[in-house]
Amino acid sequence: GNSVTQMEGPVTLSEEAFLTINCTYTATGYPSLFWYVQYPGEGLQLLLKATKADDKGSNKGFEATYRKETTSFHLEKGSVQVSDSAVYFCALTGSGTSYGKLTFGQGTILTVHP
Amino acid sequence: NAGVTQTPKFRVLKTGQSMTLLCAQDMNHEYMYWYRQDPGMGLRLIHYSVGEGTTAKGEVPDGYNVSRLKKQNFLLGLESAAPSQTSVYFCASSYSIVQETQYFGPGTRLLVL
Repeated sequence: GNSVTQMEGPVTLSEEAFLTINCTYTATGYPSLFWYVQYPGEGLQLLLKATKADDKGSNKGFEATYRKETTSFHLEKGSVQVSDSAVYFCALTGSGTSYGKLTFGQGTILTVHP
Repeated sequence: NAGVTQTPKFRVLKTGQSMTLLCAQDMNHEYMYWYRQDPGMGLRLIHYSVGEGTTAKGEVPDGYNVSRLKKQNFLLGLESAAPSQTSVYFCASSYSIVQETQYFGPGTRLLVL
């Protein structure tokens, strides 16, 4: 079946530091890949997505590139802010019987200090 | 637009009690989902619906029932709550099921004693 593995957290950074959160996946066919973000006390919201190999999703300074050869979708940001403190989830929708249903990674807690 | 709303926000139940969680969306989405979020496990799909009057099982359906009598509402029921159902429950909706963004509600925190 489909699965998503994220780097374990929590991740603690100082403001303006570079951020990488690793995400690798296992899926049959050609999944779409997503990063969702959950701010404290809120539901999840889409941060970015990519629907085919070599696509780059980007939003709010965050980027992730769909790498089929390494089955990865790592999240990056060049300069984090305190307001980026949240939980980040990598997810995919696969094909076949799981088509359209999101499979999530376990989430990575990010804390950014001033 | 309110987006996706959930009621209640927080509930405490005793083992064996029943309750219904309500999800409502005002975006005219066809597809709706119920997830549970547990520490270190991400979100897991409980049940989903591809349209009014339809429901289907997700990854962890045992102990839950759902109904979609109206397009805008998706109800999650616990007939006999167990401590293992202590979790945060999220509802989501999407326009279609194909590569489509899901919009999440704010969550319901449930504690079963």
